[in-house]
Parts: sequence; C-alpha cells; structure tokens
Amino acid sequence: DVKVTQSSRYLVKRTGEKVFLECVQDMDHENMFWYRQDPGLGLRLIYFSYDVKMKEKGDIPEGYSVSREKKERFSLILESASTNQTSMYLCASSFFGAGGGEKLFFGSGTQLSVL
Amino acid sequence: DQQVKQNSPSLSVQEGRISILNCDYTNSMFDYFLWYKKYPAEGPTFLISISSIKDKNEDGRFTVFLNKSAKHLSLHIVPSQPGDSAVYFCAASHPNSGYALNFGKGTSLLVTP
Repeated sequence: DVKVTQSSRYLVKRTGEKVFLECVQDMDHENMFWYRQDPGLGLRLIYFSYDVKMKEKGDIPEGYSVSREKKERFSLILESASTNQTSMYLCASSFFGAGGGEKLFFGSGTQLSVL
Repeated sequence: DQQVKQNSPSLSVQEGRISILNCDYTNSMFDYFLWYKKYPAEGPTFLISISSIKDKNEDGRFTVFLNKSAKHLSLHIVPSQPGDSAVYFCAASHPNSGYALNFGKGTSLLVTP
C-alpha cells in the first residue's frame, strides 16, 4: 500500500512564526503536492513538485514556499504564519494511472491553527 | 475560477437507496475524472475514476457516468450504506495541467439508517 506520512496531525503556532510541514512518501513517486482544505472552498493547490529540486506554483502559493531535496520528501514552509493560514493541509503523491490520468494518494492531513 | 463545480454542498439519503452526486466542469480539455471520499480528520482516498473516452465506469456499488456534451459527471452509490457518509470530491485533470488535479468544493453525503 502507498503510504504518505505527514509529520504532525495537529499543530498550533503563533502569528509570525516560521512553520515547517513535512511529508514523506514511500512509493518512489515523482510527483508530490501540497493542498489546503477549507470549509466551503474544497481542496486548493498550493505547490507541487514533479522532480527533486523542482517546484511549481499552484493556485494559492502566496505566503508559502516549498522544498524538495530528496525524492521521497516534500516540505511546505510558512515563512511568517498568519491567522488566515489556519487550515487543514494535505500532502499527496501521485503516479500516472494505468487507465490514464494522475492518481493522487493523500496523507492524513495536518490541522494547523495560527493564533 | 472554479473549473470543477459541485453545486450541492450536502445530500441526505436513506440507507439502501441510491445516492447520486453531481459534478459539472467548464474546461473541455479535461480528459480524466476522479472521485475521492474524505472522512473527518483523514486525507481523501481515491474511489473511482473515468477516462473521457468512456461514458461509464463501475466498481461494485459505485458507478461514475460521464456526459461529455453536457460537461457533467455523476457518482451513483447503490445501495447506500451508513459508512458511505463522508465528503465526496470530484476532480479532473488534463494533459497540460502539470500533473495536478482540479477539485470541486465537495458534497457532504449523509446516509441515515
């Protein structure tokens, strides 16, 4: 089974703190993603990476950065946390499915609260 | 600009009956569609998918129908079970989307005994 592991289930941080969210996958997938989920807004893509040291902006990259130094690890960084970044953060990895199209596997999520 | 739309935020169905979840899309370049299921405090899990070259895909109690001319797809769950209560996300991708999926806002399904 594919396993995508996010380092923390719950995190509470103060406004202005630098926050690191870590994600590790064990299936040798090239592609990794960071989404955030907010009530009424669904899943929104923050950043993704299709190779080591490569990154692409998603729909809402402002206030975030990412790091992919190793294939299995993809980190999301909040340079200076703000209250509007309180959210559920979901990491995913993917492969190109046999039937066509990308098939994403998600971690359990990190519920981040910024006070 | 929301390219994948789930216009029903919630749906309530009796156990044993059919659940129909709907999804509309605006981008005619989408060629692959997926449904994900999400329980509270868990990550979404893949449920079923369909390629744009098909109009139906079935997996046990779950069937996805695709109507390309209407840019509409639907997920049918028959018979519905209480354990199906979850948020269902519709997602789509196209060849130039950079491997990422576009998700709808989700529909919360409640199956009552």
